[in-house]
Amino acid sequence: DTAVSQTPKYLVTQMGNDKSIKCEQNLGHDTMYWYKQDSKKFLKIMFSYNNKELIINETVPNRFSPKSPDKAHLNLHINSLELGDSAVYFCASSQDSGRSQFFGPGTRLTVL
Amino acid sequence: KQEVTQIPAALSVPEGENLVLNCSFTDSAIYNLQWFRQDPGKGLTSLLLIQSSQREQTSGRLNASLDKSSGRSTLYIAASQPGDSATYLCAVHDYKLSFGAGTTVTVRA
Repeated sequence: DTAVSQTPKYLVTQMGNDKSIKCEQNLGHDTMYWYKQDSKKFLKIMFSYNNKELIINETVPNRFSPKSPDKAHLNLHINSLELGDSAVYFCASSQDSGRSQFFGPGTRLTVL
Repeated sequence: KQEVTQIPAALSVPEGENLVLNCSFTDSAIYNLQWFRQDPGKGLTSLLLIQSSQREQTSGRLNASLDKSSGRSTLYIAASQPGDSATYLCAVHDYKLSFGAGTTVTVRA
């Protein structure tokens, strides 16, 4: 019974392609997040959604577009992939923005 | 802008020794502070969350303290075991979580 799941686990693609990463949580949480962990292992928040509404957008390029069809899902679509987009992307959720966050296993994106 | 620093970047100790991991942050206006563990190639596991009004939190062999006024938190792990080997991340929450770069711990059997 995985609390926060992400698909795919690995994604290898060519520069210029468009790809999506899916995230689902079965914890009944109201808030979901996307984080990027770069090659230096530094984690930075990208987006946060509360009840399907965007509440944080941390100066992420427009090529990145999150979509929340319902409270349990937050997907990340990336257009025109660039080499610098290679990283591990983590989805997370919490009951509300002030509570403990629970992380998914991550999606390792490699752009060739 | 919140900046989170973790010292040391890496730590290697023999089994049984106590671990002390340090975290400092620049803006004391935080809601809470959270310690995570990350194993290689895996996601993050939440260890402890300390609310801004609290001074410490304990869970088993783990104890985390928070001194908000000085912008510091310390994670203590008692009687370390090889299974404690991982990267430990500190994250402070103002309107978002800001992470430190982590301390990579190796516990030698």
